Amino acid sequence: GAVVSQHPSWVICKSGTSVKIECRSLDFQATTMFWYRQFPKQSLMLMATSNEGSKATYEQGVEKDKFLINHASLTLSTLTVTSAHPEDSSFYICSAQGQSPGTQYFGPGTRLLVL
Amino acid sequence: QKEVEQDPGPLSVPEGAIVSLNCTYSNSAFQYFMWYRQYSRKGPELLMYTYSSGNKEDGRFTAQVDKSSKYISLFIRDSQPSDSATYLCAMTPADKLIFGTGTRLQVFP
Repeated sequence: GAVVSQHPSWVICKSGTSVKIECRSLDFQATTMFWYRQFPKQSLMLMATSNEGSKATYEQGVEKDKFLINHASLTLSTLTVTSAHPEDSSFYICSAQGQSPGTQYFGPGTRLLVL
Repeated sequence: QKEVEQDPGPLSVPEGAIVSLNCTYSNSAFQYFMWYRQYSRKGPELLMYTYSSGNKEDGRFTAQVDKSSKYISLFIRDSQPSDSATYLCAMTPADKLIFGTGTRLQVFP
């Protein structure tokens, strides 16, 4: 149980294009999902908290107009990187809140490379 | 001072060794404590979840929490090469997770 999937697992795009990443909880419903970014050999950096049916809450320093988050259902959240630039290249990981307080189950991650 | 401090490692141990991974924290509001394992280029996998002081065992893994000292540990017994990964401690009052920086572990045959 508690499986989270992400799609795509990797994507290469040209500078200026937009990229959408999907995060799905496969066997449970998640009112809250989270989006993280991870640079090589560093820990996870929380970008935003996504609640089903409401606007996402972004962490300080994260541009909400650049990283659009939509949590349209209890099993799906999407992150769209708009007008991507090479500095947006990173490993993006989503997680879904579990039933036990504080627990999060992570997806396998999406590697984004912007040329 | 960071809210969560984790021994950076890296640790390199022989197969069969007992491994001890540690984190300290400063925020008394943290109530829930977790250990995640992350293989290279993968998302973190939840290993252990605890919310009270004391020990919790699951197979070869034991999580220890000492709230009075604000200290948590993960012990791995009979370590295997497949345990080679980065281990992240994480804790929360009940909402956002605060992660340690991770300890890279390598178990060699």
